[in-house]
Amino acid sequence: QKEVEQDPGPLSVPEGAIVSLNCTYSNSAFQYFMWYRQYSRKGPELLMYTYSSGNKEDGRFTAQVDKSSKYISLFIRDSQPSDSATYLCAMSAWPGGSYIPTFGRGTSLIVHP
Amino acid sequence: KAGVTQTPRYLIKTRGQQVTLSCSPISGHRSVSWYQQTPGQGLQFLFEYFSETQRNKGNFPGRFSGRQFSNSRSEMNVSTLELGDSALYLCASSFLEVGGQETQYFGPGTRLLVL
Repeated sequence: QKEVEQDPGPLSVPEGAIVSLNCTYSNSAFQYFMWYRQYSRKGPELLMYTYSSGNKEDGRFTAQVDKSSKYISLFIRDSQPSDSATYLCAMSAWPGGSYIPTFGRGTSLIVHP
Repeated sequence: KAGVTQTPRYLIKTRGQQVTLSCSPISGHRSVSWYQQTPGQGLQFLFEYFSETQRNKGNFPGRFSGRQFSNSRSEMNVSTLELGDSALYLCASSFLEVGGQETQYFGPGTRLLVL
């Protein structure tokens, strides 16, 4: 079993839909959770990060962490064609110092007009 | 502020050769990490340098090495290239924000093809 599991998709939704992207993990030492967006032929771009269980909102994006279930989610409201990209979850046991993130394989999202 | 730059962007090598990739971090960032991204394995951590010292290392063979210079620029080297080394190699620079959050920024990557 991989430490971080993420459905590769593709996930295809119509413009304006609410998108839910999810990852599960097995290492209870993970404390720091991140979501990256990666467009084709580009490097990943950090979207959101959070330490704690619960929700964190930033514009149309909401990151949710449930440490008891070892489950994290990223919600995108009012999805746009420009949101079409691969979304990678990542997690680390320690946010600073020895920062070694473990990444999910990424979910390909397609938002069609 | 300029982003993370990587050179070259594309590279074709043959098996057995060696390659050196370069990364210039964002000004003021002292930590540089390297990753390998492949369709089969996804994004995997190679190593991290901080103030010219390797601080962390992922699970890759010794053919993969790196270094960091006093101006924080970093290079990674792969010796005796294998077909399986074909990948996108990403560099990321990061800094520790007030409050302890590590913020990481990736470069565009170097796409290496080994024939």
